[in-house]
Order: sequence, then structure tokens, then C-alpha cells
Amino acid sequence: DVKVTQSSRYLVKRTGEKVFLECVQDMDHENMFWYRQDPGLGLRLIYFSYDVKMKEKGDIPEGYSVSREKKERFSLILESASTNQTSMYLCASSGAGTEVQETQYFGPGTRLLVL
Amino acid sequence: AQSVTQLDSHVSVSEGTPVLLRCNYSSSYSPSLFWYVQHPNKGLQLLLKYTSAATLVKGINGFEAEFKKSETSFHLTKPSAHMSDAAEYFCVVSPSGAGSYQLTFGKGTKLSVIP
Repeated sequence: DVKVTQSSRYLVKRTGEKVFLECVQDMDHENMFWYRQDPGLGLRLIYFSYDVKMKEKGDIPEGYSVSREKKERFSLILESASTNQTSMYLCASSGAGTEVQETQYFGPGTRLLVL
Repeated sequence: AQSVTQLDSHVSVSEGTPVLLRCNYSSSYSPSLFWYVQHPNKGLQLLLKYTSAATLVKGINGFEAEFKKSETSFHLTKPSAHMSDAAEYFCVVSPSGAGSYQLTFGKGTKLSVIP
């Protein structure tokens, strides 16, 4: 079974802090994704990565950056946290190739509260 | 461009009665379609996916969905609801072909099951 883990289930941070959210997958997947989930808005893509050190902006990249130094690990960074970044953050991964790249496997999520 | 509309934000059914969660999509490509389920404070779990094979797709936990191209619909059904089905359900579309690892999520339908 694919396993995607996220470093924290719950985080509380102060405005202006630098925040790191870590995601690790154990299926040797090429593609990794960061989403945020807000009530009534569904999931929105922040960034994705299709290879080590490669990244692409999603729909809402402002205020975020990412890092992918190893294939299994994808980090989301909030350079200076703000209250409007309070949200649930979900990481996902998928394999390469037309047959499998569409099927994304999700981690349990990190609920971030910025005070 | 692609989009997904989940026609009901909230559906309530009695235990043992049928479940119908409605989803319409639009896509410039021949799409792949998915249903994911999210239980409270958990990540998303894949229920089923349609990728241009059989139009009636069977998933886990007794759910199934039918792809109807003429109606651009992909409704999720289950003959008999169980208490454990109470969760939020997301309809997702992906364009088959280039860039198909970018998913578009519906805003979700919260399913309540009444004992």
C-alpha cells in the first residue's frame, strides 16, 4: 500500500514565523503535491513537483515555497506565516506514466493554526 | 479548461437507504474522473476512478459511479447507506493526456447518515 506521511497532524504558529511542513512517501513516486483545504472551497493546489529539485506553481502559490531535495520528501515552507494561511494542508503523491500519474495518494493532513 | 460541480453541498440519508451524490464536469479533453472520500480529520482516500474503460465503475465499500458522456455526469451511488459512510466526498476530474497530473476538485458533498 502507498503510504504518505506528514510530519505533524496539528501545528500552532505565530504570525511572522517561518513554518515547515514535511511530507514523505514510500512508493518511489515521481510526482508530489501540496494542497490547502478550506471549508466551501475544496482543495486548491499550491505547488507540485514532478522530479527532484523540480517544482511548478499551482493555483495559489503566493506566500509559499517548496523544496524537493530527495525523491521521497517534499517540503512546504511558509516564509512568514499569516493568519490567512490557517488551513488544512494535504500532501499527495503519484507515479509517472499516463496510467498511474493521475491517481494521487494523500497523507492525513496537517491542520495549521496561525495566531 | 476543466471544472467540476458537485450539485449538493450536503446530503442526508437514513441508514439502509440509497445514496446518490451528484457530480457534473466539463473538460476539453477526454477526462479521467475520480471520487475521493474524506472522513473527519483524515486525508483523502480514493473510492473509485473512471479512465475510459467501462462506464460503470465499482469502487470500495459498495460504492459505484456511472460515467455519462451525454450528460457530462459522474454520479456516485450506493444501494444502502451505512453509518460509517458519513464523510465528505469529492468528485475530481483530470484531463487525460498532457498535464494530466493536475486534478480539479469539486467543493465537496458532506454526507450525513441518520440512524
